[in-house]
Amino acid sequence: EDQVTQSPEALRLQEGESSSLNCSYTVSGLRGLFWYRQDPGKGPEFLFTLYSAGEEKEKERLKATLTKKESFLHITAPKPEDSATYLCAVVSGTYKYIFGTGTRLKVLA
Amino acid sequence: AAGVIQSPRHLIKEKRETATLKCYPIPRHDTVYWYQQGPGQDPQFLISFYEKMQSDKGSIPDRFSAQQFSDYHSELNMSSLELGDSALYFCASSHSDRGPTDTQYFGPGTRLTVL
Repeated sequence: EDQVTQSPEALRLQEGESSSLNCSYTVSGLRGLFWYRQDPGKGPEFLFTLYSAGEEKEKERLKATLTKKESFLHITAPKPEDSATYLCAVVSGTYKYIFGTGTRLKVLA
Repeated sequence: AAGVIQSPRHLIKEKRETATLKCYPIPRHDTVYWYQQGPGQDPQFLISFYEKMQSDKGSIPDRFSAQQFSDYHSELNMSSLELGDSALYFCASSHSDRGPTDTQYFGPGTRLTVL
């Protein structure tokens, strides 16, 4: 059965303290992996799409990487406004988005 | 840039009532997806439409139905509402230039409260 696991569930960082969020997946034929940011009560905001192992994408303080088993979302020198829940989703042979349960990030000033 | 529009943003209904949620996809997007998200949970896929035809079905209750219209907007109809239907309902849209791995762009959601 296809499965997506995100860790940690929650993360508290001091402003400027870099860290990484993990998204591990077990799917039958990965067709794409997506990262979203979600603020409370709002819709997920698209960040990155990764299609193949070795691929990397960057946007401001965020960098997403992909291997055959997992993806990392690296946050460099985070700011309080980066506080949100970060969701990862994969698409496999079933063509449906399978979401992980997310990592709740809190960045303290 | 234009985003996905959902209406209403908030909806309060009594048990056993009916609700209709509307979704207007990003212009030129031909695929619409519906999700349900409970408190502290990840979005759960309900149903999707491609070019006005149902393309996939997830954990959508039989009390719910949906359709996509000729202008590509979609409506989710929910009948015999139950307390457990209270959740955020998101619509997402995509353009099928890569097929099922297209990026989905989410709307702001409709918060449904069933009393």
